[in-house]
Amino acid sequence: RKEVEQDPGPFNVPEGATVAFNCTYSNSASQSFFWYRQDCRKEPKLLMSVYSSGNEDGRFTAQLNRASQYISLLIRDSKLSDSATYLCVVNRKGSGNTPLVFGKGTRLSVIA
Amino acid sequence: SAVISQKPSRDICQRGTSLTIQCQVDSQVTMMFWYRQQPGQSLTLIATANQGSEATYESGFVIDKFPISRPNLTFSTLTVSNMSPEDSSIYLCSVRQANTEAFFGQGTRLTVV
Repeated sequence: RKEVEQDPGPFNVPEGATVAFNCTYSNSASQSFFWYRQDCRKEPKLLMSVYSSGNEDGRFTAQLNRASQYISLLIRDSKLSDSATYLCVVNRKGSGNTPLVFGKGTRLSVIA
Repeated sequence: SAVISQKPSRDICQRGTSLTIQCQVDSQVTMMFWYRQQPGQSLTLIATANQGSEATYESGFVIDKFPISRPNLTFSTLTVSNMSPEDSSIYLCSVRQANTEAFFGQGTRLTVV
């Protein structure tokens, strides 16, 4: 089983739509969870951290289910500028100084 | 946050040669990592660059092919040795402090011909 698995995508949605991405991780000892965004030919950049109680940042909502080892990202009122690849990211194990492991990413295209 | 300067930003190299990529951070960081991102793929961890000791390599990556240096807490290099076209990829330096997110350099786009 891969360390991090994501919806393969691509997702093609109209402006204003709501879209949800899902992700599962294999290591129950993982403690840190993130969603990153990667634009074409650019390095990944943090979109938001994911907390146990769930968290929201404007149009973006992240949820974590530790029992199911499942992470989600919801984007409301999609904008053209949301078009990018979204990477589900988990730390290798435990907390502290461990590397981050990346899912393959889900490509989102928001269409006018 | 951390500002990471990675160079070169891109290079085209002949097969059989080696390329050294440099990563400079504007502050001391505990952890530095090297990733590879092949076309259309996500990031694959190559190794963790340990300050003062040998790097820790992931399965499928070996020191002879990807030697890494980390002489201090703000600098690291990755060398891609004896290159072949299969090494064509984007190589990314990343830093992380405990329990925080990772920051990335802008990447080195390597093409081996």
